[in-house]
Amino acid sequence: AQSVAQPEDQVNVAEGNPLTVKCTYSVSGNPYLFWYVQYPNRGLQFLLKYITGDNLVKGSYGFEAEFNKSQTSFHLKKPSALVSDSALYFCAVRDGTLVSNTGKLIFGQGTTLQVKP
Amino acid sequence: NAGVTQTPKFRVLKTGQSMTLLCAQDMNHEYMYWYRQDPGMGLRLIHYSVGEGTTAKGEVPDGYNVSRLKKQNFLLGLESAAPSQTSVYFCASSYPLETLNTEAFFGQGTRLTVV
Repeated sequence: AQSVAQPEDQVNVAEGNPLTVKCTYSVSGNPYLFWYVQYPNRGLQFLLKYITGDNLVKGSYGFEAEFNKSQTSFHLKKPSALVSDSALYFCAVRDGTLVSNTGKLIFGQGTTLQVKP
Repeated sequence: NAGVTQTPKFRVLKTGQSMTLLCAQDMNHEYMYWYRQDPGMGLRLIHYSVGEGTTAKGEVPDGYNVSRLKKQNFLLGLESAAPSQTSVYFCASSYPLETLNTEAFFGQGTRLTVV
C-alpha cells in the first residue's frame, strides 16, 4: 500500500533563513514523488517532482527537493525563505512501476509553513 | 486554457439530500481523481479513474459514487448526504505514468456543507 507521512504539522522559519519541510513515503514499487503548495482558498499548485535520475530536483519559486531512497524521504528545501512562501505544503506519491501501477496518487496530511519577517 | 473546472464552487445541503459534483478537464488527461480535504487530514482520495468508462475506489469511498462516461468529465455523487461529508472537494487530472509528465492538475475546489 502507498502512504505518505509529513511529520510536522507546522514549520516556522525567519525570512532569509533556509527551510526544510519533511516527507517520508512508502510504496511497493518505484516511487514517483511530488510536492504541491496550497494558498488559502485555492487549489493545489504543482511545485516539483522526482521520477528518475538526479536525486536533487529543482522546481518552481526556488524550491528543491532531495530524494533519498535508503531513508525513503523526499524533503522539500529552499535556501532562503520568503514571507510569500507561507502556505500549506503537500507531499504525494505514486507507484511508478508500470506493471503494478494502479494510478493512485496519495497525499500526506500537509505541513503549514509560516515565514516570519 | 481552462484546465480543471469544478462546479459548483459552494453548496449547502440538508442531511439526506443528494447532489452531483462535476469535474471537467480540457487537457486530454487519462487519469482523474476526487479528493476531500479536511483540517488535519490532508487530502484523502475518494475515487479515481484511469480512463473513460473505468473507476476505482480510493481511501475513503463510502457514501460516494462516481462515473466517467466521457474522458473529459468525472462526476462525484452523494446519494444521501451526511454531516460527515462536510468538506472541501478537489478534482484533479493527470497523464498516465508512461508520459513522465504525470503531475496532477487541480481544480479550485467545491466547499460543501451538510446541515
